[in-house]
Parts: sequence; C-alpha cells; structure tokens
Amino acid sequence: GESVGLHLPTLSVQEGDNSIINCAYSNSASDYFIWYKQESGKGPQFIIDIRSNMDKRQGQRVTVLLNKTVKHLSLQIAATQPGDSAVYFCAENNRGSDKLIFGTGTRLQVFP
Amino acid sequence: GAVVSQHPSWVICKSGTSVKIECRSLDFQATTMFWYRQFPKQSLMLMATSNEGSKATYEQGVEKDKFLINHASLTLSTLTVTSAHPEDSSFYICSARDLRDSRQNTEAFFGQGTRLTVV
Repeated sequence: GESVGLHLPTLSVQEGDNSIINCAYSNSASDYFIWYKQESGKGPQFIIDIRSNMDKRQGQRVTVLLNKTVKHLSLQIAATQPGDSAVYFCAENNRGSDKLIFGTGTRLQVFP
Repeated sequence: GAVVSQHPSWVICKSGTSVKIECRSLDFQATTMFWYRQFPKQSLMLMATSNEGSKATYEQGVEKDKFLINHASLTLSTLTVTSAHPEDSSFYICSARDLRDSRQNTEAFFGQGTRLTVV
C-alpha cells in the first residue's frame, strides 16, 4: 500500500493560540488536496480542501495554504480549542487517479 | 457533508474465521469506494479501490484472496477478511466518492471505521 506513516509528530499548543500544521506532498502532478481530522477510534472527518489553481482557501477558523513550488501544504487553525485535539492528515489526489493518498499525520494537543 | 455508514464498528473473531465489513453511502451515490487499513499511531494505508460493478483494484502487497471486496451497488461495498489471523487485527476504514463528474475531483467521505480483533 501507499502512504505509510510512522510515529506521528505532535504539536502542542495552548488554548486560544493559533496552530499551524504542515504537510509535504510527493507528487507534483497532484492537483487536489484535502485536510482531514481524525479523533481517536473514528474515521477521518473532512475539514477543508483546495485545488492546485489556488494558493489559499479559508473556512471557518481554518485556512489552507498551498505552495506548489516546494510541494508544501499547511493548515492554520485560529484560536485553537480543546475540541481541536486530534490527528490531522493531509491527502493528495492526482487528476489522473481516483485515489486519495494520505500523508503521515500530525497529532495536535491543546492545553488549557 | 455526505454520510457514509460502516458496520460493525468493532468485531472480535476467532483465528481462521471470516469477517465481513459493510460500507454504505446513505445520501449519495458512490461510484468509487476505497478501503484503508490503519495501525495504531500511523497513517491510513490504502488497500484497494472498488468501482461499482467491477473488480476491485488492489494496492501492491495486499492479498486479494484474503481481502475480498464487493461493490455490487452505488451505495454498498463490503470487505471480507477471510481466514483471519491475529496479524489482521487493525482498524479498517472505508471511504466513498462520487466521481461521475470527471472534470474535477471531489472530497471523499469516510465511515466510522471498524476495529477488528482476531484472537
């Protein structure tokens, strides 16, 4: 299978601070990207997506930035809350494929 | 967002038996469904892709005779783990996409996952 991640990195932030979660993708042909949130024992939940013809997209409290030059994706969460604690995955898709390939993932821990 | 229902949410079975996991898209037609496997503290690993009415496409290293996938309708896909062994214990997750519009990709919706424990 593809996209095996080992030993999730952890980001610890204080409640109310902004969080930035980064992701490097591998396929320069990928043209669609999604951020997912996964809570323990549950399936991934859609947060926000972005297509390759955009550099930035904003949602409610979240912003995704795409830098195609260095193949980098980031998720910014404003005013992080305890409920944001979870593992966050980026996923990439190539127009020529229907598969979503997941990145390694980052565990976000929010402290009061 | 759309709802994907996966059942059961957990199952314990004896070594050597088979287990079937169902994945249903409740409010949209899923032209394509995917099955992932996830080990603790790791990312989702794609096992196979299935399109309605055709054979599943398995990723390299995934045994198609062990992990049987059926996608008989636009709302239902099943994964059967045959002759399960303790090393098959894992978290299995399905996802569904509607890819009828080939002009652009769309998000994938995920089921709740199934925790399989083989004893």
